[in-house]
Amino acid sequence: ELKVEQNPLFLSMQEGKNYTIYCNYSTTSDRLYWYRQDPGKSLESLFVLLSNGAVKQEGRLMASLDTKARLSTLHITAAVHDLSATYFCAVDPNNDMRFGAGTRLTVKP
Amino acid sequence: EADIYQTPRYLVIGTGKKITLECSQTMGHDKMYWYQQDPGMELHLIHYSYGVNSTEKGDLSSESTVSRIRTEHFPLTLESARPSHTSQYLCASKKGGYNEQFFGPGTRLTVL
Repeated sequence: ELKVEQNPLFLSMQEGKNYTIYCNYSTTSDRLYWYRQDPGKSLESLFVLLSNGAVKQEGRLMASLDTKARLSTLHITAAVHDLSATYFCAVDPNNDMRFGAGTRLTVKP
Repeated sequence: EADIYQTPRYLVIGTGKKITLECSQTMGHDKMYWYQQDPGMELHLIHYSYGVNSTEKGDLSSESTVSRIRTEHFPLTLESARPSHTSQYLCASKKGGYNEQFFGPGTRLTVL
């Protein structure tokens, strides 16, 4: 059974600080997705990582993928309040996209 | 911008009722999905479809059915709603290949 595990599940950080969210998955997959969800809203796509060693950056967020370790990271640089949201990683080895439990990020002034 | 729609957005019904949640997309995507999500929590895959006349069961499929008669339409039916079905239901679609999903706005269902 495929497992997608994120940690931490809850993260409270100060503005201006850096932090990394981790996503481990239990089956072979050469692609991984990151999504953001604001409270009461639906999900929006952040990054699509399609190969081992893939790295993508958008603003203060950078995502990377290590398919051999079955690990993806989402790094936050100099956090700002607008980044407060829940972040989900997902894999779809069988075209049946499965999500982690999400990391609820709160950025405090 | 993604064009995927869900109706109704909010629904309050009594136990035992049969309901259908609608999902439509105008992007011509082959793959469509239904997820159940309690607020801010994990997404649970209910059903998915690779294309017309294709449906597959996810992890929470036993109490619901889906159909895919047209590419753009993927309705979810609960035959007999129960309070445990109270949740948010998210529909998503994607093109074939290694593309991301696009999500609809969700249907927030309350079963009394």
